[in-house]
Amino acid sequence: GQNIDQPTEMTATEGAIVQINCTYQTSGFNGLFWYQQHAGEAPTFLSYNVLDGLEEKGRFSSFLSRSKGYSYLLLKELQMKDSASYLCAARDSNYQLIWGAGTKLIIKP
Amino acid sequence: IAGITQAPTSQILAAGRRMTLRCTQDMRHNAMYWYRQDLGLGLRLIHYSNTAGTTGKGEVPDGYSVSRANTDDFPLTLASAVPSQTSVYFCASSPDSSSGANVLTFGAGSRLTVL
Repeated sequence: GQNIDQPTEMTATEGAIVQINCTYQTSGFNGLFWYQQHAGEAPTFLSYNVLDGLEEKGRFSSFLSRSKGYSYLLLKELQMKDSASYLCAARDSNYQLIWGAGTKLIIKP
Repeated sequence: IAGITQAPTSQILAAGRRMTLRCTQDMRHNAMYWYRQDLGLGLRLIHYSNTAGTTGKGEVPDGYSVSRANTDDFPLTLASAVPSQTSVYFCASSPDSSSGANVLTFGAGSRLTVL
């Protein structure tokens, strides 16, 4: 079956760095996405990886290893506004997105 | 402001009633999607449309129907609501159904409670 695993909840301190891991099993693979979702709001796009390696975008970076079925989202210089859920999604051979349940990130002062 | 508009924002509905959730986008995106989001679960695809005039079933289509008469509108209908359909429903769109990053833009969501 198709499956996405990511931790349910993580806690980090303002100004620190946090890494949110995601492992996936899909029928074929056509890319890995990260979305951010603040409580009570819609998900918004953060990053897309289709090739192995690190993609950096400001304070956020995303890494992909296709051979390991593994990705992580790295958030640097954490701010209180980064408190949100982070959704990992893998796109399968039919170009359908398989979503993880999300990781709730709590930032403490 | 370009984006997706969903209505209603929230609704309490008696079991057995018919309900249509509306979704309109003004980005001229070809593909549109309906997801439901439940606590502890990932977003689950209900129905999708790759282009106007076509629709397809997602992971959890039972009890729901959709239509795509034009590019902009993609309503979701619950023919006879049941309590298990209590959820937050998100409409989304993307430029097309495959190729490249194909980023999804989501509406603000419709919170539906079926009693």
